[in-house]
Amino acid sequence: AQSVAQPEDQVNVAEGNPLTVKCTYSVSGNPYLFWYVQYPNRGLQFLLKYITGDNLVKGSYGFEAEFNKSQTSFHLKKPSALVSDSALYFCAVSLDTDKLIFGTGTRLQVFP
Amino acid sequence: DAMVIQNPRYQVTQFGKPVTLSCSQTLNHNVMYWYQQKSSQAPKLLFHYYDKDFNNEADTPDNFQSRRPNTSFCFLDIRSPGLGDAAMYLCATSRQTGGDGYTFGSGTRLTVV
Repeated sequence: AQSVAQPEDQVNVAEGNPLTVKCTYSVSGNPYLFWYVQYPNRGLQFLLKYITGDNLVKGSYGFEAEFNKSQTSFHLKKPSALVSDSALYFCAVSLDTDKLIFGTGTRLQVFP
Repeated sequence: DAMVIQNPRYQVTQFGKPVTLSCSQTLNHNVMYWYQQKSSQAPKLLFHYYDKDFNNEADTPDNFQSRRPNTSFCFLDIRSPGLGDAAMYLCATSRQTGGDGYTFGSGTRLTVV
């Protein structure tokens, strides 16, 4: 069965510092991996995805993620955090013809 | 802009009174999904339509039904809402299942009184 884990309920970081939001996955094939962001009382917004190719994926708003097959991880990163990045972040995984499975979410809090 | 639109943004209904939430899309995507999300938890898939084929998740209560009269519209019907059904309901679309990723609407927040 497919699953995705986000081990941190909350990540706190000072504005201007680098941030990392962790995600690990478990699938029985080649995964498709996604990051979504959710602001209060809004739907989920697509940030980036990994399908195949370069392990470092660049997405919206300066975010990037690195696919690591040996560690089955897909951590979200940004070199310099902004207060406006504060939101709920979801990692998701699927196989080619399967629906997306979401992690439990990580709340990112960026302090001025 | 092509998008997924959910109406209304906020819905208040009485305990036990049927309620319908709507979703429309201009993306011409094949697949439409309904998710339930409680208190900043992970979205939980209720069901999805691949074209006209309806796919119900095994643990979706019978109280929840869906209709897709055409490619553009999909409805979520809650036949007898309980207090536990208060949540954000998210509609999403994709061209195909899985690898494409989803486009989400802004959601409808349902309150049951």
